[in-house]
Amino acid sequence: AQSVTQPDIHITVSEGASLELRCNYSYGATPYLFWYVQSPGQGLQLLLKYFSGDTLVQGIKGFEAEFKRSQSSFNLRKPSVHWSDAAEYFCAVGAGFGNEKLTFGTGTRLTIIP
Amino acid sequence: GAVVSQHPSWVICKSGTSVKIECRSLDFQATTMFWYRQFPKQSLMLMATSNEGSKATYEQGVEKDKFLINHASLTLSTLTVTSAHPEDSSFYICSHPSGGAGEQFFGPGTRLTVL
Repeated sequence: AQSVTQPDIHITVSEGASLELRCNYSYGATPYLFWYVQSPGQGLQLLLKYFSGDTLVQGIKGFEAEFKRSQSSFNLRKPSVHWSDAAEYFCAVGAGFGNEKLTFGTGTRLTIIP
Repeated sequence: GAVVSQHPSWVICKSGTSVKIECRSLDFQATTMFWYRQFPKQSLMLMATSNEGSKATYEQGVEKDKFLINHASLTLSTLTVTSAHPEDSSFYICSHPSGGAGEQFFGPGTRLTVL
């Protein structure tokens, strides 16, 4: 069975500082990996996804993530956070095309301090 | 991306009553929709897969007679929480696949509070 671990429940970062949110997955085949962001009162928004190819993927809002098969990780990064990045971030793994069920991690809540 | 709406956005009901939540795909014909439940400060847990024109597929541990799902058209799926109890209070979120890219588009969610 597939699973996702987000070790950090809550992270606080100063505005303008860099950010890295950790995600580790367990999946028997080539995973389809996603990062979603959830803001209060809004639906989950896709930040980026990895299916194959270049292991460093670029997403929206200046986010990027790197797939490392050897470490079963898909960490999310941003070089300089903005106050508007405060939200809940979810990593998810899926089986991909034709089977879009997703398994989500427990999420990381990001707080930005001025 | 596709637009998914949910109605109502929040609802408060008395214990023992039933509540219906609608999920609409506004610009995509969705043969499949997913229903998730999210408890406070927890992750999304898939409850069931809603299939247009056929029975929903429920995840292990989810009572199909308590959480009735109807997917009568390509743009509408409904989740009815029957005989709701306080422990059913949660945030319910629907989504649909993107049509081949392996991702999903999510609705804004419905917060249910059962008194």
